[in-house]
Amino acid sequence: DAKTTQPNSMESNEEEPVHLPCNHSTISGTDYIHWYRQLPSQGPEYVIHGLTSNVNNRMASLAIAEDRKSSTLILHRATLRDAAVYYCILLSGTYKYIFGTGTRLKVLA
Amino acid sequence: DAGITQSPRHKVTETGTPVTLRCHQTENHRYMYWYRQDPGHGLRLIHYSYGVKDTDKGEVSDGYSVSRSKTEDFLLTLESATSSQTSVYFCAISEGDRVNTEAFFGQGTRLTVV
Repeated sequence: DAKTTQPNSMESNEEEPVHLPCNHSTISGTDYIHWYRQLPSQGPEYVIHGLTSNVNNRMASLAIAEDRKSSTLILHRATLRDAAVYYCILLSGTYKYIFGTGTRLKVLA
Repeated sequence: DAGITQSPRHKVTETGTPVTLRCHQTENHRYMYWYRQDPGHGLRLIHYSYGVKDTDKGEVSDGYSVSRSKTEDFLLTLESATSSQTSVYFCAISEGDRVNTEAFFGQGTRLTVV
């Protein structure tokens, strides 16, 4: 299973955009890029996923590099409720969701 | 919210005793997963199932066994609990098709082995 690399932590001011990076240089052509987040004392929750094209949903946007070796999760206006650990995962045809240690996002009021 | 129920939510047990955690889903999803989460680590996959009676090992399967006799239930058993298995355990489900690939997680079970 291909691995991902994320910064351990990031900070953002409230109501400002946040760009969370993820490197996945060993991604294969059929791997989906998934993002999950884990709020304190809760299980992870799905945020967004994509294959090749950029994706938008009500929670966030996902920007995928043209060579697919990196991606960026974009929160357009961070709120205090967005403080969480964000995980970038590559999903292959085995459907095994392998988590790394993620990025802990701190949102400053 | 996806229909996933983990039971029990909290459990304290003694070293050497068997423990079974249950994950129940009402979504009829094909794939089910058990993870553990410890301080300093993300979630680590223990075992997963891709159908009734079809299971496979994950990253940290030693000391754990699983069973799936019905689509809706996935059981995780610690045959002889050890203190190193003190952790928070999460169950997850996914449909396992190329269109709907997102996973849904339960609220977790906090297990303490004393």
